[in-house]
Amino acid sequence: EVQLVQSGAEVKKPGESLKISCKGSGYSFTSYWIGWVRQMPGKGLEWMGIIYPGDSDTRYSPSFQGQVTISADKSISTAYLQWSSLKASDTAMYYCARRSRQQLVSENWFDPWGQGTLVTVSS
Amino acid sequence: QSVLTQPPSVSGAPGQRVTISCTGSSSNIGAGYDVHWYQQLPGTAPKLLIYGNSNRPSGVPDRFSGSKSGTSASLAITGLQAEDEADYYCQSYDSSLSGFHVVFGGGTKLTVL
Repeated sequence: EVQLVQSGAEVKKPGESLKISCKGSGYSFTSYWIGWVRQMPGKGLEWMGIIYPGDSDTRYSPSFQGQVTISADKSISTAYLQWSSLKASDTAMYYCARRSRQQLVSENWFDPWGQGTLVTVSS
Repeated sequence: QSVLTQPPSVSGAPGQRVTISCTGSSSNIGAGYDVHWYQQLPGTAPKLLIYGNSNRPSGVPDRFSGSKSGTSASLAITGLQAEDEADYYCQSYDSSLSGFHVVFGGGTKLTVL
């Protein structure tokens, strides 16, 4: 079974750093892009960026460029999303999701999704 | 403000048919990019519902169908059931000066009356 399992909920203070993870199993981790999506409380889905674990090629949404860092360790089939200095506005649920492998980039969808990691930033 | 526009909410009685629209522009859906749909049940992660405009993954009931025309796409749900109450999101791609990126609709909350 193809699965993405994310790390557990985090409670942090403003200014602290954080790295959350997404571990893939049941497929060739290096052959599929992994994306990250933010969902703020009561709000919709926002695209953050994507990484290809095979060579760590990474693309960011303009809204998140410079705000977060996406990385991957293919030796342990895990992708990461990290912050160097959290803000209260980073409080949200964060999802990772595997991108399909259609020839044209514009044809790709995301499936499966991880269960989500809730990040709460509060003083 | 989402690049793809969805109605904030729709509702219907059990057994009825509802549709959810996803309106874009010439830089996304109108450019020929595929539209995909996700269902997010309360308190859970999004789940793929429709891919490639109109295809259902294995396990998704045929009560769910998708279509695309011009700069818009639609998700139709027939024979509405209580378990369909969820948030629904469309997803496509957008090509602009800032690059080529994934975009989501703002989401539509479906209420089964």
